[in-house]
Amino acid sequence: EVQLVQSGAEVKKPGESLRISCKGSGYSFTNYWIGWVRQMPGKGLEWMGIIYPGDSDTRYSPSFQGQVTMSADKYISSAYLRWSSLKASDTAMYYCARLRGATTLRYFDYWGQGTLVTVSS
Amino acid sequence: QSALTQPPSASGSPGQSVTISCTGTSSDVGGYNYVSWYQQHPGKAPKLMIYEVSKRPSGVPDRFSASKSGKTASLTVSGLQAEDEADYYCSSYGGNNNLVFGGGTKLTVL
Repeated sequence: EVQLVQSGAEVKKPGESLRISCKGSGYSFTNYWIGWVRQMPGKGLEWMGIIYPGDSDTRYSPSFQGQVTMSADKYISSAYLRWSSLKASDTAMYYCARLRGATTLRYFDYWGQGTLVTVSS
Repeated sequence: QSALTQPPSASGSPGQSVTISCTGTSSDVGGYNYVSWYQQHPGKAPKLMIYEVSKRPSGVPDRFSASKSGKTASLTVSGLQAEDEADYYCSSYGGNNNLVFGGGTKLTVL
């Protein structure tokens, strides 16, 4: 069974750094792109970017380029999303999801349960 | 790249059919057959309902169908059931390593 399990909720202060994780199981983690999707409170889904765990190739949405850093550790089947200096506007639910497609980004077939990040002074 | 345009809300009575539209441009919906639809219940992660315009993943009821014409994709839910009440999001490949979501439609079963 394909599963993506994300790390737990976080409460941080503005300016702090943070890394959240997404661990895959039930499939060959290195052979599928992993995407990150933001959902701000009461709002819709926003695609942030994707990473290929096999070689850590990354592609960022223009809206999130430079705002976050994606990484992966293929040896422990985990992908990460990192902020170096959080802002209150980073408060949101963040989902990881398995992407189908590579040269064309087709669809996300499995999703993690989400990680709620709250940034407040 | 701008979000795809969806109506904020849609509704129907049990047993009826409802259609949700998703309008993009020639650079996304109109340019590729890579439109997908996701269902999201409150407090839950999105769930894939339709991929590549009209294909249903295993386990998704055939009450859910979808199509595309030009720059507009559509999701139809037939034989509405109470459990179909949720938010629905469309998504499309936008070219140049980009993916775009719609703003979401809240489906209410009256």
